[in-house]
Amino acid sequence: GAVVSQHPSRVICKSGTSVKIECRSLDFQATTMFWYRQFPKKSLMLMATSNEGSKATYEQGVEKDKFLINHASLTLSTLTVTSAHPEDSSFYICSGRTGGQPQHFGDGTRLSIL
Amino acid sequence: KQEVTQIPAALSVPEGENLVLNCSFTDSAIYNLQWFRQDPGKGLTSLLLIQSSQREQTSGRLNASLDKSSGRSTLYIAASQPGDSATYLCAVNNSSNTGKLIFGQGTTLQVKP
Repeated sequence: GAVVSQHPSRVICKSGTSVKIECRSLDFQATTMFWYRQFPKKSLMLMATSNEGSKATYEQGVEKDKFLINHASLTLSTLTVTSAHPEDSSFYICSGRTGGQPQHFGDGTRLSIL
Repeated sequence: KQEVTQIPAALSVPEGENLVLNCSFTDSAIYNLQWFRQDPGKGLTSLLLIQSSQREQTSGRLNASLDKSSGRSTLYIAASQPGDSATYLCAVNNSSNTGKLIFGQGTTLQVKP
């Protein structure tokens, strides 16, 4: 149980385009979803926390206009990287949890901006 | 501000060895601590979760201990196998309300056949 599906698993696009990543909780209602970014051989850095129906709370140093997060339902959150540039290339991972339960992680999205 | 450190960054052992991975954290007021496994290019698989009131948790060949007062946790892997090769991440949760996890940098383990 407690499966989180993240799509796409990999995306390659040109500089200047916007990219949307979806995160779905398949068998539970994710009242809270988290978005992380991971650089090569580095740890996960929390970007933002979103609660269903509310605006996302961004961590210090994360541009909210650059990384748009929507959590419109209890099973879906999206991260849109707007006007992506090569420095936005990274591995993005989402997770969801219900209530005070532990987080369940998606398989990540490898984003490459050319 | 909570900081989590994992030592060593990388470890290579022959198959069959028992090994210990270390995790330390600066703020002992934690809610719980988790150990995760991450395979290359993949997401995280939760291995063990230790609540702040617990001293250890076991699952199969894995045993995780927690010493909150000294800000340390260890992950013990018995009789290592090549399939154990992965990156192991330690993460601390300071608050049950926010659920935010603060991760260490990970230990990349290679078990040689």
